[in-house]
Amino acid sequence: DGGITQSPKYLFRKEGQNVTLSCEQNLNHDAMYWYRQDPGQGLRLIYYSQIVNDFQKGDIAEGYSVSREKKESFPLTVTSAQKNPTAFYLCASIMTKGAPGYGYTFGSGTRLTVV
Amino acid sequence: KNQVEQSPQSLIILEGKNCTLQCNYTVSPFSNLRWYKQDTGRGPVSLTIMTFSENTKSNGRYTATLDADTKQSSLHITASQLSDSASYICVVTSGGYNKLIFGAGTRLAVHP
Repeated sequence: DGGITQSPKYLFRKEGQNVTLSCEQNLNHDAMYWYRQDPGQGLRLIYYSQIVNDFQKGDIAEGYSVSREKKESFPLTVTSAQKNPTAFYLCASIMTKGAPGYGYTFGSGTRLTVV
Repeated sequence: KNQVEQSPQSLIILEGKNCTLQCNYTVSPFSNLRWYKQDTGRGPVSLTIMTFSENTKSNGRYTATLDADTKQSSLHITASQLSDSASYICVVTSGGYNKLIFGAGTRLAVHP
């Protein structure tokens, strides 16, 4: 079955540590996105990538980094510069051909907790 | 400022009852509006999507309406089931693929 796989489901980070969240899709989607979800708030865009080897900052990119070396993969690194990283992280993808907004698919998320 | 506001924040209903969730938006330009269901600890799953010219869309027991003039949408759930317990998120796409504005969601609890 086609879909988006995020791993791990749960992740614990120590103070000052970088951690990387994985996002893999086999939908042949062009664009991939990382969102952060906090209680009582709408999803906020961290980074997005429309093509391989290119990515753009979203609304809350500070303290995060990404790479897009393959079409299928869009890992997110939460660096030590992110002072409040505890949140639920969602990866999404879309085929950019066709009308905007159609075909968004979300992964099942990674819950990151600072310990 | 582009915004999507949902009400109520949370709702408790008894199994078998109907309910309606509201979404008001101030987004321009407007491309489409989508309702997602998000189970706890899971990613959102699309329920319906509507463009400017559509004013109603159904998906089983879920019916979404859109009034583009008043910039309001609603999601009506008929004959609720325990499995409907989840957060329901209204999302408006503005102009392009990369401009999604998310509401904070309505948390629905269906009790037996």
